[in-house]
Amino acid sequence: GENVEQHPSTLSVQEGDSAVIKCTYSDSASNYFPWYKQELGKRPQLIIDIRSNVGEKKDQRIAVTLNKTAKHFSLHITETQPEDSAVYFCAATLEGGSYIPTFGRGTSLIVHP
Amino acid sequence: NAGVTQTPKFRVLKTGQSMTLLCAQDMNHEYMYWYRQDPGMGLRLIHYSVGEGTTAKGEVPDGYNVSRLKKQNFLLGLESAAPSQTSVYFCASTPGQGSHNEQFFGPGTRLTVL
Repeated sequence: GENVEQHPSTLSVQEGDSAVIKCTYSDSASNYFPWYKQELGKRPQLIIDIRSNVGEKKDQRIAVTLNKTAKHFSLHITETQPEDSAVYFCAATLEGGSYIPTFGRGTSLIVHP
Repeated sequence: NAGVTQTPKFRVLKTGQSMTLLCAQDMNHEYMYWYRQDPGMGLRLIHYSVGEGTTAKGEVPDGYNVSRLKKQNFLLGLESAAPSQTSVYFCASTPGQGSHNEQFFGPGTRLTVL
């Protein structure tokens, strides 16, 4: 089955710095890679996703890159703000197949004002 | 649309007691999932369903049962609760077709087993 590794488990930055979270996956058939943000006490919510036919996607201060050959994808947050503090989860899924996502263990991002 | 809802929000059980968690979605999604979330362990899949009347085991199914009698509802049962089942439980749904297959999560149920 699919295995997703996520690093780092904790990331502490100063407000205005950039933050990068990396994930690797094992199943080359996976073709959909969402990122979820979970604020304390809240439900996970999708913030950005990428499919295997695209190398990069950007939405304002967040971007995701995908390297299919190396089987890794990364979340980039620029100009971090205190409200970016949360746990971020990556996932790998086979759309058109099982639709069962495999999640990484999460990264706790702390943005210090 | 209410999206995905879960009841109850909190529950405390004694070891050996039983309970049922209810998940409901009004988006006509085919796929529904139950996860448990423990510190440092991410989201682990307990059971899932690919449509009305179907269920399947996930990564950590032991001690849980599920039913999907109606497309919009997915029930998670604990027959004899154990302290190891203390966790936050999230239900989620996804269309299971086309190209928009993000997981829509419910608000979660915090369960404590004493």
